[in-house]
Amino acid sequence: AQTVTQSQPEMSVQEAETVTLSCTYDTSESNYYLFWYKQPPSRQMILVIRQEAYKQQNATENRFSVNFQKAAKSFSLKISDSQLGDTAMYFCAFFVRRGGTSYGKLTFGQGTILTVHP
Amino acid sequence: DTGVSQDPRHKITKRGQNVTFRCDPISEHNRLYWYRQTLGQGPEFLTYFQNEAQLEKSRLLSDRFSAERPKGSFSTLEIQRTEQGDSAMYLCASSFEKFLYNEQFFGPGTRLTVL
Repeated sequence: AQTVTQSQPEMSVQEAETVTLSCTYDTSESNYYLFWYKQPPSRQMILVIRQEAYKQQNATENRFSVNFQKAAKSFSLKISDSQLGDTAMYFCAFFVRRGGTSYGKLTFGQGTILTVHP
Repeated sequence: DTGVSQDPRHKITKRGQNVTFRCDPISEHNRLYWYRQTLGQGPEFLTYFQNEAQLEKSRLLSDRFSAERPKGSFSTLEIQRTEQGDSAMYLCASSFEKFLYNEQFFGPGTRLTVL
């Protein structure tokens, strides 16, 4: 079974500063994908960034980047130049790929509420 | 708007009543997922379909829950004899199997309150 743990229930940051959200996971699988999803207040969840487990290079998407440490099973999200619109609940999530087939289920962490202050 | 849609957005019901939710996925997506999210928690997987076939069901999906996707397009999730513990946000997501990342696109959710 896969588990995802986000140990920071809440974080806050000043506008324009940098913040890092933590995520650890546990799995015996070797081929999997990791994601960070953002859920703004009363709005639907959207994908922020993804990482393939077989890639050593950390993914980046504009102001968002990850620090993927496969041996440590750690997958943190760094948000640079934080903006008020980044205020949201952030979820780390995971799914397994076996033999060329992606198994559909996403396993989510508990979430981290991020508040960006002006 | 070509995103995932869900109906209704809010549902208030009395304990013991049956409720049904609908999800319309993105039209070219062949996979459809249902998740449940309680306040302050991450979504928990309930079930998913690939086309018409229901490929996986969570242990969370008790026999009071049933999901269908009869023509491989929209899906319904029915809860019979609702209990207060069923109060939650029910999220639907869709994806296309052939996409490498199986990126799931989420709908706005249906918030269920059982009184």
